[in-house]
Amino acid sequence: QSALTQPPSVSGSPGQSVTISCTGTSSDVGIYNRVSWYQQSPGTAPKLLIYDVSDRPSGVPDRFSGSKSGNTASLTISGLQAEDEADYYCSSYSSSSTLVVFGGGTRLTVL
Amino acid sequence: EVQLLESGGGLVQPGGSLRLSCAASRFTFSSYAMTWVRQAPGKGLEWVSAISGSGGSTFNADSVKGRFTISRDNSKNTLYLQMNNLRVEDTAVYYCARDSGGWPGDRFEFWGQGTLVTVSS
Repeated sequence: QSALTQPPSVSGSPGQSVTISCTGTSSDVGIYNRVSWYQQSPGTAPKLLIYDVSDRPSGVPDRFSGSKSGNTASLTISGLQAEDEADYYCSSYSSSSTLVVFGGGTRLTVL
Repeated sequence: EVQLLESGGGLVQPGGSLRLSCAASRFTFSSYAMTWVRQAPGKGLEWVSAISGSGGSTFNADSVKGRFTISRDNSKNTLYLQMNNLRVEDTAVYYCARDSGGWPGDRFEFWGQGTLVTVSS
């Protein structure tokens, strides 16, 4: 069982927006802003999409945005494109013995 | 562009050992913490071990404590993961990843392509 909870799957049509939630605890997401999101296409390594809750690395489209409220972080993808179909993982720094915790991942299907 | 190239994966019997390597290039290796993340077949990502840029501080997941040792050789720009007493549940693709600064626990900006470790009799 993963430390952070994500929905197993979400879906949306091209052009629509989807939001993926990531629920942690007061030991990780709730007290640290070191929340990141990664995109992973089949057979490839994860790619950093969002860091520090809402910052984007250079090259990541502004269709991808992040936010946080309490113990829950969220990734919103607007203007869905077919190429966005992938698995998405959240992570957070943690005060527990595990330095970094990941979510279980969410598979995004573009209908 | 930063490059990370893992090697050393393979098939090993339960109770056996394996050492993974991650050769880094195109950045000042000693300035960055490094992390190993694994992914079991069809499963999600799991943080395994991390090491500070200097190599003086290491961190391990509870699931590998006492069995896995992370280390680095800054003169060779190489990260290692010594895995002992391997279990079937250690079967996974192991990725090395570069942290954003000299202390681990932040974002993973760059990832290697991964190396597969299979523990089976």
